[in-house]
Amino acid sequence: TQLLEQSPQFLSIQEGENLTVYCNSSSVFSSLQWYRQEPGEGPVLLVTVVTGGEVKKLKRLTFQFGDARKDSSLHITAAQPGDTGLYLCAGLYSGGGADGLTFGKGTHLIIQP
Amino acid sequence: DTAVSQTPKYLVTQMGNDKSIKCEQNLGHDTMYWYKQDSKKFLKIMFSYNNKELIINETVPNRFSPKSPDKAHLNLHINSLELGDSAVYFCASSQHLAVSTDTQYFGPGTRLTVL
Repeated sequence: TQLLEQSPQFLSIQEGENLTVYCNSSSVFSSLQWYRQEPGEGPVLLVTVVTGGEVKKLKRLTFQFGDARKDSSLHITAAQPGDTGLYLCAGLYSGGGADGLTFGKGTHLIIQP
Repeated sequence: DTAVSQTPKYLVTQMGNDKSIKCEQNLGHDTMYWYKQDSKKFLKIMFSYNNKELIINETVPNRFSPKSPDKAHLNLHINSLELGDSAVYFCASSQHLAVSTDTQYFGPGTRLTVL
């Protein structure tokens, strides 16, 4: 089983601050995805990163895939209360077989106004 | 139109009962999944179906049996429910299985409570 470690597990900050969430593994992944989940709903895909070193931006969110494709980070600039939610990273293992997506345990983010 | 739908939204039942959760996707995807999310929000894959064939069966008790009458449906039947089965169950679909750029679309979840 390929494991994805997310940190921090919980984060509560003030509106306007910046934050970074990390997703790390000892395994190489074909791709890393970031999902956001709101209470009572299913996860929704934010971004997919595929190439080592890739950086993608989605408004105030910046996603990076590590050069070795074992880790990823999500950086939020000037966080807003609407960013509150559970952020999940998920990786598709590149070791072959049909392992499907492996999810991290999530980061619970609260942005206080 | 809802892309991935699940019924029921909430399910409360007694230990030992048998129950089913239904899932439908109208995206024309080839692959459907069932995930279990525990009380700590850890999401773990249980099954996936690709073109009506079971592809993944993680270490899930055989009390859980997925059934796919057609490509658009993947139902989850659970026999002899136990307290530890209480969780939120998510159905999801994607165009293909194990393609790195595919998006998985999740249903709204079914919160199962076993008393």
